Amino acid sequence: DFQMTQSPSSLSASVGDTVTITCRASLGISDNLAWYQQKPGKVPQLLIYTSSTLQSGVPSRFSGSGSGTDFTLTISNLQPEDVATYYCQYHKSAPFTFGGGTRVEIK
Amino acid sequence: QVQLVQSGGGVVQPGRSLRLSCAASGFIFSNYAMHWVRQAPGKGLEWVAYIRYDGRDKYYGDSVEGRFTISRDNSKNMLYLQMNSPRPADTAVYYCANGEGLKGGAFDIWGQGTMVIVSS
Repeated sequence: DFQMTQSPSSLSASVGDTVTITCRASLGISDNLAWYQQKPGKVPQLLIYTSSTLQSGVPSRFSGSGSGTDFTLTISNLQPEDVATYYCQYHKSAPFTFGGGTRVEIK
Repeated sequence: QVQLVQSGGGVVQPGRSLRLSCAASGFIFSNYAMHWVRQAPGKGLEWVAYIRYDGRDKYYGDSVEGRFTISRDNSKNMLYLQMNSPRPADTAVYYCANGEGLKGGAFDIWGQGTMVIVSS
């Protein structure tokens, strides 16, 4: 079965730190990778699509990279409002599989 | 205002049926693929179903294949999820979302979510 594997499952960092989340696809998916942010009790929101394209309105401290099977989401200068769970997703065709999520907390 | 407004959640007994609805406004609904995504309590996101912009192509996640049916009425700007023979494992918040073709199909707009509890 096609899978998207995220790591770590959770992390804790200080305000101002740089945080990196990785996502690995079980098959090559070119750049068809999105990242979503879900704040506690809220609806998921699109952050990045096609691996590295920032959704309109998303702060530039968020960035994405990767192609094929390995992808990263980087949050520079971590802010308190970035506390959330982040999900990667293959967005091109079925199955539109999500990763398991990475919970980001502030120390 | 671009939005998806959901309705139809609630408590349903195992083996009965329930239909979720998603009303689109503020964009040309008939131009967009649509999806259902769910999130079990305390768990991650799970893609459930996809329907092409014209309704002619549909795909389902393995866990709901053969039990759930996605459909749409472009004349009413409505998306539906017919849940037949639900199981306790289907208990989740269900979201509708659009697939934005200009963004590679990424899920750009999300509904507010509706809770479905499958319990006797």
